[in-house]
Amino acid sequence: GAVVSQHPSWVICKSGTSVKIECRSLDFQATTMFWYRQFPKQSLMLMATSNEGSKATYEQGVEKDKFLINHASLTLSTLTVTSAHPEDSSFYICSAREVGGPNEKLFFGSGTQLSVL
Amino acid sequence: AQTVTQSQPEMSVQEAETVTLSCTYDTSESNYYLFWYKQPPSRQMILVIRQEAYKQQNATENRFSVNFQKAAKSFSLKISDSQLGDTAMYFCAFMNPLYNNNDMRFGAGTRLTVKP
Repeated sequence: GAVVSQHPSWVICKSGTSVKIECRSLDFQATTMFWYRQFPKQSLMLMATSNEGSKATYEQGVEKDKFLINHASLTLSTLTVTSAHPEDSSFYICSAREVGGPNEKLFFGSGTQLSVL
Repeated sequence: AQTVTQSQPEMSVQEAETVTLSCTYDTSESNYYLFWYKQPPSRQMILVIRQEAYKQQNATENRFSVNFQKAAKSFSLKISDSQLGDTAMYFCAFMNPLYNNNDMRFGAGTRLTVKP
């Protein structure tokens, strides 16, 4: 089946630094990728939707200058947390939709735990 | 806006017994998809079952089945012959294929514990 690879699986960084998280579709091309954030014992909250070759669409309340999303190819989307602070510590999950595939079928990455000291 | 509500934060069931997790949603659309996802301690999201709103027949996947009541906007998950490996967070999710790039919206989740 389709696989979405997300790296790194965990990262610890100092406050004020930037962290990049990659989401790759390994055996399919993804027109659309989604980025979610999950706090402990809570649900997944959609942060933004990225389409290959265009600007990401951010959900209300998500700072686009804080969470930079790039979807430069049909197999890669990146989320960069800029000037990270402890309140950005969270679990980030990406998902991807296959080009030409069923609209309702999403494939999820394994997530990235970000801890900002 | 579409909302998904899971009113049971935690549930437990004895191994081999049956448990039902509840989910309600709110939408004005007639065509949409509903999902149940499982998130074990590894935190990998695993699709359990999917239901298309235009299909009246309830979806079934082995020990997992749903009770889809479109008029009531209810979508419950029944797990039969519960196994220890079923212990996980379960999220109900909604997708409208005609809305905003088809993003998926999740309920708050139900933590299910299967006891030996």
